[in-house]
Amino acid sequence: DAGVTQSPTHLIKTRGQQVTLRCSPKSGHDTVSWYQQALGQGPQFIFQYYEEEERQRGNFPDRFSGHQFPNYSSELNVNALLLGDSALYLCASSSQGLSNQPQHFGDGTRLSIL
Amino acid sequence: QQPVQSPQAVILREGEDAVINCSSSKALYSVHWYRQKHGEAPVFLMILLKGGEQKGHEKISASFNEKKQQSSLYLTASQLSYSGTYFCGTELVNDYKLSFGAGTTVTVRA
Repeated sequence: DAGVTQSPTHLIKTRGQQVTLRCSPKSGHDTVSWYQQALGQGPQFIFQYYEEEERQRGNFPDRFSGHQFPNYSSELNVNALLLGDSALYLCASSSQGLSNQPQHFGDGTRLSIL
Repeated sequence: QQPVQSPQAVILREGEDAVINCSSSKALYSVHWYRQKHGEAPVFLMILLKGGEQKGHEKISASFNEKKQQSSLYLTASQLSYSGTYFCGTELVNDYKLSFGAGTTVTVRA
């Protein structure tokens, strides 16, 4: 039973560029949440996708956008990259985004901005 | 609203107990606990729902005090494998997102 998979594992970009991160949820899960985790900090919620729509959004600028596909996989896009965007980006999947369901995290994509 | 975790760090010897606290200034619907080891993904431990009971996972248990909007994680008879950073994630009523605390780093030594 495959867990949450994310790609790529590592990525190096320069300021001003754009990046796309990908996530495949755990089998049987239909909800995907994205988090940004800076070094030594807890994950910060970016947004959640359910039924191919953004259901909830955290305090992140519009440079951060996403998409969910019919097979429940998801992409996170970040435009006009800033040095402060360097972080570990985590994807978590769950079932219907219900409060009584655990979120399963992928190993993350380490994004470095030069 | 990010929850506040305490302590920031704790060092234990094998077999010792510890308590990690997580508090919110707003009414909570659920509290999720995760453990993250260095360079790895956070791993789910347990969920406590409003009105729910205390839960346990091996020798790790947790409680949720609705009146105080506070949850506590209890590490009993700690093992070396308990080392890592523990995060609480809180969900407000009618809100689908989890807000995580800054984490509590637990180091268990032989």
